Amino acid sequence: QKEVEQDPGPLSVPEGAIVSLNCTYSNSAFQYFMWYRQYSRKGPELLMYTYSSGNKEDGRFTAQVDKSSKYISLFIRDSQPSDSATYLCAMSVRGTYKYIFGTGTRLKVLA
Amino acid sequence: GAVVSQHPSRVICKSGTSVKIECRSLDFQATTMFWYRQFPKQSLMLMATSNEGSKATYEQGVEKDKFLINHASLTLSTLTVTSAHPEDSSFYICSARNQQGLGTDTQYFGPGTRLTVL
Repeated sequence: QKEVEQDPGPLSVPEGAIVSLNCTYSNSAFQYFMWYRQYSRKGPELLMYTYSSGNKEDGRFTAQVDKSSKYISLFIRDSQPSDSATYLCAMSVRGTYKYIFGTGTRLKVLA
Repeated sequence: GAVVSQHPSRVICKSGTSVKIECRSLDFQATTMFWYRQFPKQSLMLMATSNEGSKATYEQGVEKDKFLINHASLTLSTLTVTSAHPEDSSFYICSARNQQGLGTDTQYFGPGTRLTVL
């Protein structure tokens, strides 16, 4: 079993839809949770960073962490074609500075 | 803020040659940088952790004599792929840990370097 599981997609949605992206993990020591967006042939761009259970909102993006279920989510409201990219979740154990990445979910927002 | 650059963005070389890739943190100091490798449609695989002024720590299965890492300053780390072969062709991405940013575990990524070995 991988430490971090993420559905690779692709996930296709119409413009304006709410997108839900998810990751599950098995290591209860993970304390930091990140979401990155990666466009084709580019480096990942940090979208959200959180270290506690609950919700964190930034513009159209909401990150949700449920440590009891070992489950994290990223919600994108009013999705746009420019949101089409691969979304990677990443996690780390406090003090290790080492990230474990999910496989990434490819998202396509159709105009 | 928190910008990381990589150079070159793309390189094509002949089998047997060595290639050096530079990673720079432009607006912050990074005592720790990371080197990743990414194959098409796959996630990032950590190759090594680079600490300023000390030897890099390599992940299991990564040949340290093949992938030489030098972190000579707080803003620059280099990865040299020695005697490159076609199987080394990949997308190499660096990241830098920003200790003054959102949190001490926040990594900012460079744009990546696409290496093609003929």
